[in-house]
Amino acid sequence: KQEVTQIPAALSVPEGENLVLNCSFTDSAIYNLQWFRQDPGKGLTSLLLIQSSQREQTSGRLNASLDKSSGRSTLYIAASQPGDSATYLCARGSQGNLIFGKGTKLSVKP
Amino acid sequence: NAGVTQTPKFQVLKTGQSMTLQCAQDMNHNSMYWYRQDPGMGLRLIYYSASEGTTDKGEVPNGYNVSRLNKREFSLRLESAAPSQTSVYFCASSEADGGGETQYFGPGTRLLVL
Repeated sequence: KQEVTQIPAALSVPEGENLVLNCSFTDSAIYNLQWFRQDPGKGLTSLLLIQSSQREQTSGRLNASLDKSSGRSTLYIAASQPGDSATYLCARGSQGNLIFGKGTKLSVKP
Repeated sequence: NAGVTQTPKFQVLKTGQSMTLQCAQDMNHNSMYWYRQDPGMGLRLIYYSASEGTTDKGEVPNGYNVSRLNKREFSLRLESAAPSQTSVYFCASSEADGGGETQYFGPGTRLLVL
């Protein structure tokens, strides 16, 4: 069964810190790896999508990497801000759908 | 451009009642999806429609039916609600097959079955 695991489940950091969120997946035959953000009581917002042929994608203070051989992806957030507080989910793309991890709940303290 | 919209936002049902969750997108996307999100279980796919006129089961389809009414609309029906269907339901859409494309999510419907 295809699985996606995110560690840690929760993370609390002081404002300004650089941080890394981890995502691991089984089966290297993926279409892509996607990172989403979910605010409490809201839907998901797409942050970054890395195609299977790519190694990383960047958007502003966010950088996501993909290593298919080891089944890992990381989301790097630079100079964290309180507004970054949310749950971050990764999802592996397979034919027809996405398979989600359970997320990392991030809290950035002022 | 509203993106993906869902109605209702919140609903309370009694066991055995039926209801339909509505979803519409205005991005001219071909593919649409229904997920449920439960604490500790993450997001799980219920049904999806790769294109207008087609629907396929996802990971947890039991107790649900779907209708792809047209390219814009994809509804989810609970024929006889059960407490185990208490969840937050999200609709999503993508330009093509969601495994290879970014999915755009609606705000969710919170369903409580008593």
